[in-house]
Amino acid sequence: SQQGEEDPQALSIQEGENATMNCSYKTSINNLQWYRQNSGRGLVHLILIRSNEREKHSGRLRVTLDTSKKSSSLLITASRAADTASYFCATAQGAQKLVFGQGTRLTINP
Amino acid sequence: GAVVSQHPSWVICKSGTSVKIECRSLDFQATTMFWYRQFPKQSLMLMATSNEGSKATYEQGVEKDKFLINHASLTLSTLTVTSAHPEDSSFYICSASYQGKQETQYFGPGTRLLVL
Repeated sequence: SQQGEEDPQALSIQEGENATMNCSYKTSINNLQWYRQNSGRGLVHLILIRSNEREKHSGRLRVTLDTSKKSSSLLITASRAADTASYFCATAQGAQKLVFGQGTRLTINP
Repeated sequence: GAVVSQHPSWVICKSGTSVKIECRSLDFQATTMFWYRQFPKQSLMLMATSNEGSKATYEQGVEKDKFLINHASLTLSTLTVTSAHPEDSSFYICSASYQGKQETQYFGPGTRLLVL
């Protein structure tokens, strides 16, 4: 069963604006990961944040993790048209098994 | 680095036939491979996890006799959809991880299956 729920399900913003997506989960985790999926393609790993970390940066990406609220957020700054994709959070519960959220469909308008 | 390929990228078959999908790690040895299924505009559902040389571990509700998984080498896993039916039409994605960085999965580009 899917553990993560993402909010919003769809997001449409203007190029240059920041995009924020949220993910909530239900059980204890080892780490939480964010992936991007372009339409009809495989997933690209963006960033991994461990359960003992609160914030992580990678380029224009900023991820936060609040284990007390069982939630995470992904911020994409200065969005570009190429950022248009679906974004999924995934929680690692065991050694390797990932459980994916429902995803946020992000559209960047030029 | 850490590139995973899938073949074919899409396949159309008649109901009742079997279809084999290959997943290859091109530049690393994949100690573990995963198979997912994704319906349109939905999330990925893990079907099974396979370690090289051992039987796959299937998720609850996934028929192991219908979705045969073989992980015969450290660079190749195959998923065979046996006696495919229209309801098996979906997007199948594999991923792989390697020893030393097992937390991260590297995904293939997916295979779109359409059963007529």
